[in-house]
Amino acid sequence: DTAVSQTPKYLVTQMGNDKSIKCEQNLGHDTMYWYKQDSKKFLKIMFSYNNKELIINETVPNRFSPKSPDKAHLNLHINSLELGDSAVYFCASSDIAGVTGNEQFFGPGTRLTVL
Amino acid sequence: QQQVKQSPQSLIVQKGGISIINCAYENTAFDYFPWYQQFPGKGPALLIAIRPDVSEKKEGRFTISFNKSAKQFSLHIMDSQPGDSATYFCAASISRYSSASKIIFGSGTRLSIRP
Repeated sequence: DTAVSQTPKYLVTQMGNDKSIKCEQNLGHDTMYWYKQDSKKFLKIMFSYNNKELIINETVPNRFSPKSPDKAHLNLHINSLELGDSAVYFCASSDIAGVTGNEQFFGPGTRLTVL
Repeated sequence: QQQVKQSPQSLIVQKGGISIINCAYENTAFDYFPWYQQFPGKGPALLIAIRPDVSEKKEGRFTISFNKSAKQFSLHIMDSQPGDSATYFCAASISRYSSASKIIFGSGTRLSIRP
């Protein structure tokens, strides 16, 4: 009964590879997010989708491409991985118009290590 | 103007003591100020939040103090316990962007409670 789940939890790959991270939420929320947390624990939003529509697209290299097949899923595909992409990536969701409002519910994170 | 400045970076408190973490913001349009708690290997989770129409909000041992004129807010943890050891993030957002509330996070405070 996990609220926001991500796969995989750990991802170790070589520079130049392409990889994907998947996120699913079973909370019925209409908005989903991707965050990057660097080694100093700084959390920065990357993307946000509302009902499958891209709402927020921060200054992120276009090697990162989010895809939302439906409002319960938000995947992140990364092309041509670089050393600087090593971080923990968090998926989150919220129900802006609902009871929980602005509260964001985070997944457990995916630790990406690029060698 | 979009920044939220958080201090201290790390904090060590004796069990039973009071932990205090401070944050400051610039953008007066912010109208939602949450605090998130993150344990190692987990995603952040909402701890407590406040809106600028009140100066204080208390939930159990956790209290947010809000000073609108100074554009500052702080988290107080009373009777701090070893189980409170975690990283704490203050944050701010403009909730009227109803389709997706973009949260700006502070840089985090690593709190350790000594037994």
